[in-house]
Amino acid sequence: RKEVEQDPGPFNVPEGATVAFNCTYSNSASQSFFWYRQDCRKEPKLLMSVYSSGNEDGRFTAQLNRASQYISLLIRDSKLSDSATYLCVVNKGGYSTLTFGKGTMLLVSP
Amino acid sequence: DVKVTQSSRYLVKRTGEKVFLECVQDMDHENMFWYRQDPGLGLRLIYFSYDVKMKEKGDIPEGYSVSREKKERFSLILESASTNQTSMYLCASSSMDRAFEKLFFGSGTQLSVL
Repeated sequence: RKEVEQDPGPFNVPEGATVAFNCTYSNSASQSFFWYRQDCRKEPKLLMSVYSSGNEDGRFTAQLNRASQYISLLIRDSKLSDSATYLCVVNKGGYSTLTFGKGTMLLVSP
Repeated sequence: DVKVTQSSRYLVKRTGEKVFLECVQDMDHENMFWYRQDPGLGLRLIYFSYDVKMKEKGDIPEGYSVSREKKERFSLILESASTNQTSMYLCASSSMDRAFEKLFFGSGTQLSVL
């Protein structure tokens, strides 16, 4: 099983739709989880952290399920500007480094 | 805003050449990283550094070396470039307190080795 696995997509949704991505991780000792966003031909940027209790930031909600070893990102009321690749990122813990998933591409159309 | 600057946006080199990729950050961050990003493979860590003159191998260090003589600058060196090193190279930095959470990336260098 790969360390961090994501459906590459693309997810094609109309404006205003709700869309959700999942990401699974293999290391049960993983401690920190994040979603990064990468626009086409741009660098990745931190979108939000994922806490055990869940995390909401405006239209974005991230959740963690440790028992099943997956994290999710829900985007409500999709905007054209949400079109990007969303990278799932896991930190194995300690003074360790981040492992990036390959990303899920989202395309929001008018 | 944190600024991570990579010296070149596009670079074309020949097989066997020695290649230097430079990265400078302006936020006094302790940690700096070099990744490469390839279609279908995602971001892979090459090397990282916690402090001046310190370096640690990432997941794919073969064929690369790094140099960190000053806190703000982290260089990636391809001793003898090969065609399989054609890739997008991304530099990143982070502060000690958010060491492996919030990375600030440069805009990347697209390297083509012919």
